[in-house]
Amino acid sequence: AQKVTQAQTEISVVEKEDVTLDCVYETRDTTYYLFWYKQPPSGELVFLIRRNSFDEQNEISGRYSWNFQKSTSSFNFTITASQVVDSAVYFCALIVGNQFYFGTGTSLTVIP
Amino acid sequence: GAVVSQHPSRVICKSGTSVKIECRSLDFQATTMFWYRQFPKQSLMLMATSNEGSKATYEQGVEKDKFLINHASLTLSTLTVTSAHPEDSSFYICSAHGLAASYEQYFGPGTRLTVT
Repeated sequence: AQKVTQAQTEISVVEKEDVTLDCVYETRDTTYYLFWYKQPPSGELVFLIRRNSFDEQNEISGRYSWNFQKSTSSFNFTITASQVVDSAVYFCALIVGNQFYFGTGTSLTVIP
Repeated sequence: GAVVSQHPSRVICKSGTSVKIECRSLDFQATTMFWYRQFPKQSLMLMATSNEGSKATYEQGVEKDKFLINHASLTLSTLTVTSAHPEDSSFYICSAHGLAASYEQYFGPGTRLTVT
């Protein structure tokens, strides 16, 4: 069975602090994809990144970075120098076949 | 990326009435569409999977007679909430999957349903 765990339900940080959102996944399939989405108060899911199971290379995009470690089945997301606009709910998700499995989300509040 | 639209974005209806939500893939053909439901401060829960021209497959616990799904064309799927009740108030999100790789799914902006 597939499962995604985001143990952090809510996180608050002060603006300009760095913050890491944790994601642990479970699957027995060798081919899968991992995603991070941002969901602002409007509700629309904003795609952030996709990684396939064969590509463990970490990625940096501006203030965002992702650390994919198959050995620990983790796909953590770090925001550097957080800003108020980063406040949102962040979902980690796993695709196996064509089905999405979402984590429970982490609500991030960046305090000015 | 591809665009998926949903209409309406918000709807308020009275208890007992039916509401139809449309999900359209605007620039690609969606062989499969998925419907999710999201309660406040919770994750997305898959309700059903619909393939064009065939009956939808519902997840366990989802009443198919209450949530009617029609995927009549490669660009349109509809979700009808029949005899809506206040507990059906939720955020409904669709996603569309085309003919490309399995990860090529695109989410609609969601529809917020409030049943009074």
